[in-house]
Amino acid sequence: NAGVMQNPRHLVRRRGQEARLRCSPMKGHSHVYWYRQLPEEGLKFMVYLQKENIIDESGMPKERFSAEFPKEGPSILRIQQVVRGDSAAYFCASSPFDRHEQYFGPGTRLTVT
Amino acid sequence: KNEVEQSPQNLTAQEGEFITINCSYSVGISALHWLQQHPGGGIVSLFMLSSGKKKHGRLIATINIQEKHSSLHITASHPRDSAVYICAALNSGGGADGLTFGKGTHLIIQP
Repeated sequence: NAGVMQNPRHLVRRRGQEARLRCSPMKGHSHVYWYRQLPEEGLKFMVYLQKENIIDESGMPKERFSAEFPKEGPSILRIQQVVRGDSAAYFCASSPFDRHEQYFGPGTRLTVT
Repeated sequence: KNEVEQSPQNLTAQEGEFITINCSYSVGISALHWLQQHPGGGIVSLFMLSSGKKKHGRLIATINIQEKHSSLHITASHPRDSAVYICAALNSGGGADGLTFGKGTHLIIQP
């Protein structure tokens, strides 16, 4: 059973470009969580999704950020018009049920130049 | 909003020592995670517990719900245990299932 997969592992974007981060949950998991770790800071919750639904996006910046988890395929975290402050490690985690242990992916390290 | 505090922030110990990392939180939770983040950045879930004690190999995690406190212990520590250890609270009640994280404890085990 493969673990949580994220790609790309490293992503470099110039200011103003779009970044798309993908997360494939563990097999059988229908709950996905996205977290952000800014340099020298702790992890912060961004968004919680179930298949085709955003359950809680209270941690998402109001502009430029969006997330989806379609019926088929990976969850996508999309950042439009990236700025230097978006440079961070983005982790996703998945779980089979709510209130269950979460399993983390290896992260995507986004660098905005 | 839950506040999660960890102590110590940094800990350096000699190989073989018994290690304790503490975590306290401000509001009721349904569960608490202990995570390990390696120098390369990957995150591994060590434990999720909502009461009592769990043990896995040389790692032991305890939680006291009344005191809103949890501890992670490492017995017979080894240099490969060097990592950042993070506790994360899953809030009880309705609302977000997202975790609230402590700032982490940087552990270095010297040979």
